[in-house]
Amino acid sequence: NAGVTQTPKFRVLKTGQSMTLLCAQDMNHEYMYWYRQDPGMGLRLIHYSVGEGTTAKGEVPDGYNVSRLKKQNFLLGLESAAPSQTSVYFCASSWGSWGLDGTEAFFGQGTRLTVV
Amino acid sequence: AQSVTQPDIHITVSEGASLELRCNYSYGATPYLFWYVQSPGQGLQLLLKYFSGDTLVQGIKGFEAEFKRSQSSFNLRKPSVHWSDAAEYFCAVGANQAGTALIFGKGTTLSVSS
Repeated sequence: NAGVTQTPKFRVLKTGQSMTLLCAQDMNHEYMYWYRQDPGMGLRLIHYSVGEGTTAKGEVPDGYNVSRLKKQNFLLGLESAAPSQTSVYFCASSWGSWGLDGTEAFFGQGTRLTVV
Repeated sequence: AQSVTQPDIHITVSEGASLELRCNYSYGATPYLFWYVQSPGQGLQLLLKYFSGDTLVQGIKGFEAEFKRSQSSFNLRKPSVHWSDAAEYFCAVGANQAGTALIFGKGTTLSVSS
């Protein structure tokens, strides 16, 4: 039982390059989330999805796009990477809505991205 | 809008001593409250959560937290800290809106001295 798996775990990009981070969960969860974690800032929500084919903006969506074509996968894209996007990215999934019923969410191990 | 404040950025506690990590939230209705722990290089693990009912909730690893509505607080406690408790701790609040994710505090780093 893998839970939530993020790939890649580490990546270095040059400014202007693009990349996609993959989040895969095997728990049949409806809700999936992408957060970024920066020192002294805690975790900030980038985008989230309440089900296959749906996405919504979070607190810091600019510069990112997401897709949820399959229920088990939630992709985070950076079209033109900037140094300000250097961060640790965490994916999470939950059966229900954190806000609606407080369902526990499960986190991936994170992706450390450096943009130079 | 809801928010979470963790006043202490870094706390050092001696092994075996008691611990209290502070968390204050801002939200108009009854919130769902969570404490997560993150060990270095790891993802977040749920310690405990409060939905309703008993205001003192028990979690894993010997942690507990008390919800105080009058103080808008949800402080995390442990009676005796172990060296393995050294980690970063996040308080989070969930709002009663469909699809809304958790709002996290900025975290408190716990160091344990021998």
